[in-house]
Amino acid sequence: QKEVEQDPGPLSVPEGAIVSLNCTYSNSAFQYFMWYRQYSRKGPELLMYTYSSGNKEDGRFTAQVDKSSKYISLFIRDSQPSDSATYLCAADSGGGADGLTFGKGTHLIIQP
Amino acid sequence: AAGVIQSPRHLIKEKRETATLKCYPIPRHDTVYWYQQGPGQDPQFLISFYEKMQSDKGSIPDRFSAQQFSDYHSELNMSSLELGDSALYFCASSLGGLAPYEQYFGPGTRLTVT
Repeated sequence: QKEVEQDPGPLSVPEGAIVSLNCTYSNSAFQYFMWYRQYSRKGPELLMYTYSSGNKEDGRFTAQVDKSSKYISLFIRDSQPSDSATYLCAADSGGGADGLTFGKGTHLIIQP
Repeated sequence: AAGVIQSPRHLIKEKRETATLKCYPIPRHDTVYWYQQGPGQDPQFLISFYEKMQSDKGSIPDRFSAQQFSDYHSELNMSSLELGDSALYFCASSLGGLAPYEQYFGPGTRLTVT
């Protein structure tokens, strides 16, 4: 079982909808939680990171972490066709220059 | 803003050959990470370097080695290539002493082994 689980989708929603992307994790040592966006054949792009439990907002994006349930979420408001991509959640213990542990990624399609 | 630079962007090698991938981190970043991403897979961590010293090791085969140089660029050396080594190889960089989790990825090197 992977330490970070993510539904691969695809998830298809109409333009303008609110998108909810989710991950669960099993390693209690994880303290930092990241969301990356990856377009086909491109490098992952860091969208935002959150430390421990709580919410963080950046423009149309909101990241949410609930450590009690080991649940990570990313919400996208007013979704645009350009948001169509694979979204990867990742986690890290923050103990040093460790490699990130990624979920498998959710393929998101925003229909015009 | 300057990003992570990787070269070459594409590489085609035959089985049992060697390959060298290069990574130039974001200026002032002192930590470099290497990841391998197979088709339809998530990035798998291979190895990292902080201040030119190996920091963490993931699922890197013994046939692979890497190092970080005095200018903080890094090279991933791959020998005795196998068909299964065909993948996207990403380098990421961060300020390891301050925010190691805030990793910025390069565009990747697509390695094809035939």
